[in-house]
Amino acid sequence: GAVVSQHPSWVICKSGTSVKIECRSLDFQATTMFWYRQFPKQSLMLMATSNEGSKATYEQGVEKDKFLINHASLTLSTLTVTSAHPEDSSFYICSARSNLGEGREQFFGPGTRLTVL
Amino acid sequence: AQSVTQLDSHVSVSEGTPVLLRCNYSSSYSPSLFWYVQHPNKGLQLLLKYTSAATLVKGINGFEAEFKKSETSFHLTKPSAHMSDAAEYFCVVSEGTGGFKTIFGAGTRLFVKA
Repeated sequence: GAVVSQHPSWVICKSGTSVKIECRSLDFQATTMFWYRQFPKQSLMLMATSNEGSKATYEQGVEKDKFLINHASLTLSTLTVTSAHPEDSSFYICSARSNLGEGREQFFGPGTRLTVL
Repeated sequence: AQSVTQLDSHVSVSEGTPVLLRCNYSSSYSPSLFWYVQHPNKGLQLLLKYTSAATLVKGINGFEAEFKKSETSFHLTKPSAHMSDAAEYFCVVSEGTGGFKTIFGAGTRLFVKA
């Protein structure tokens, strides 16, 4: 089946530093990738949608200068949390949509736990 | 506009008894519907999906769901709960083509008692 990986699985950083999270589709080409944020005991909140080779589309209320998304290839998208602060601590999950098949199903990565001290 | 309502934030069952997790949706178009499971500090795993084929959908681990258009429901069931089923469950609706939108329900936490 379709597999999506994320790296790192967890990261701890100091306030003010930037953190990059990678999302890779391992066995399929992902025309679209999605980035979600999940607070404890809450549902997933879509942050942005990225299509390969174009700028990401951010959801209302998500700071595009704070959360930089790059989708440089059909198998890799990155999320960079710039100048991270403790309130950015969260569980970040990416998903990828294949360019084949029915098309609406998303395949999710295992998530990245970010803790900002 | 599309929306998803998971009617119960928590459901508690005894091991070996049936599970029912309720989901209602609203959609302007023919939607695709999904159920995902999330174990603590893990990503989401697809349990099953409805994409306009059979209305009764069978998924992994003994779960199934029935799409009822007249009731705009997509409830998730399992005949006999197992301890390993304890997790968070999300009902998800997706509609449109190309630039489709995906909306997550708030989630239902399933507790399974021994």
